[in-house]
Amino acid sequence: AQTVTQSQPEMSVQEAETVTLSCTYDTSENNYYLFWYKQPPSRQMILVIRQEAYKQQNATENRFSVNFQKAAKSFSLKISDSQLGDTAMYFCAFMKPDGGAQKLVFGQGTRLTINP
Amino acid sequence: KAGVTQTPRYLIKTRGQQVTLSCSPISGHRSVSWYQQTPGQGLQFLFEYFSETQRNKGNFPGRFSGRQFSNSRSEMNVSTLELGDSALYLCASSARGRGDTEAFFGQGTRLTVV
Repeated sequence: AQTVTQSQPEMSVQEAETVTLSCTYDTSENNYYLFWYKQPPSRQMILVIRQEAYKQQNATENRFSVNFQKAAKSFSLKISDSQLGDTAMYFCAFMKPDGGAQKLVFGQGTRLTINP
Repeated sequence: KAGVTQTPRYLIKTRGQQVTLSCSPISGHRSVSWYQQTPGQGLQFLFEYFSETQRNKGNFPGRFSGRQFSNSRSEMNVSTLELGDSALYLCASSARGRGDTEAFFGQGTRLTVV
């Protein structure tokens, strides 16, 4: 079974700073997908960024980028120029391809606070 | 287009009762997955339905069940409620096609069992 670990329960930075959230995972699969989801106080989970394991290039979405280290089974999220609206719970998630089946395995989450 | 809609948003039930939660996926999406979110256990996968068939099931007791209708709307039922069933229940929909991996989540149903 796959497991996802987020070792930072809470983080706090000042607006405009850069912050990195850590995630490690355990799997015997060679092909899989990794995600970072954001859950603001509204509770709705929003996809931040996605990485396919067979792609060596790290995914980037505007101010969000990942550092994917497949051998180390590490998948960290970097938020540049942080904004107040980035305050939320962030979840790292794993999914193995299974005919397109949607079964996400989530980490415990990191509560990120951006201070003005 | 409209997002994933979950109803009701809040629910209070008594131990021993049963409850039904509803999820309407994004138009055109045929896969609906359910997750339970609690402070202690985090986010856990309950089950997934695709084309009215349960395709995946998480490690939950048989009191948790679901179904999917021909219009892809899904319901989740919990019977004989226990205090530990108090949680945020999230529904996610996806197109479930080859290469389509994005799950879109609803805002959840907050269930409180007293």
